[in-house]
Amino acid sequence: EDQVTQSPEALRLQEGESSSLNCSYTVSGLRGLFWYRQDPGKGPEFLFTLYSAGEEKEKERLKATLTKKESFLHITAPKPEDSATYLCAVRENYGGSQGNLIFGKGTKLSVKP
Amino acid sequence: DSGVTQTPKHLITATGQRVTLRCSPRSGDLSVYWYQQSLDQGLQFLIQYYNGEERAKGNILERFSAQQFPDLHSELNLSSLELGDSALYFCASSTGSAEAFFGQGTRLTVV
Repeated sequence: EDQVTQSPEALRLQEGESSSLNCSYTVSGLRGLFWYRQDPGKGPEFLFTLYSAGEEKEKERLKATLTKKESFLHITAPKPEDSATYLCAVRENYGGSQGNLIFGKGTKLSVKP
Repeated sequence: DSGVTQTPKHLITATGQRVTLRCSPRSGDLSVYWYQQSLDQGLQFLIQYYNGEERAKGNILERFSAQQFPDLHSELNLSSLELGDSALYFCASSTGSAEAFFGQGTRLTVV
């Protein structure tokens, strides 16, 4: 049973072409939704944490939003250096706050100049 | 720099051998997670430790084991290695419900 589903699996954009990545989740009692960026052969790099529906976070060309069932990562006027795999993760609710992180399979973004 | 240190960065070993991967978490983080990532695959959760105790287990093989020491560093032991164990192994650490920070990984190649 997939608890975190990301779509699309791959996305090709032209430089400057804005778009959104989706992350839907089914865990109950959400204790945080996290976005990461991963470059090939590197460890995931933390981007955003969202805790409650309606919350939004921004960083440069990226904006993350959260609803009760999904999160979006909006990319405005992307540049080639934004090319990477974007991962979404949710924290399981058990045993207090130290639950495990469940990751989606990621969206591989390619931005062409 | 995430503050999470993994050693070694690269490891090449033969089938049937045993290796130990080491992780030093960020200062103050009590939780340590281990993940496996095979070529073009997602992050597969292996095991989580919190303040020295095992907290959660994922699809970790019986040939794999881990521990977290009193100084909070963690080691992942992989034994009877098979070709299919070749992958990137990542360690991450966190505190409370906050985000986890990842190390740069250990690339294991089994030949």
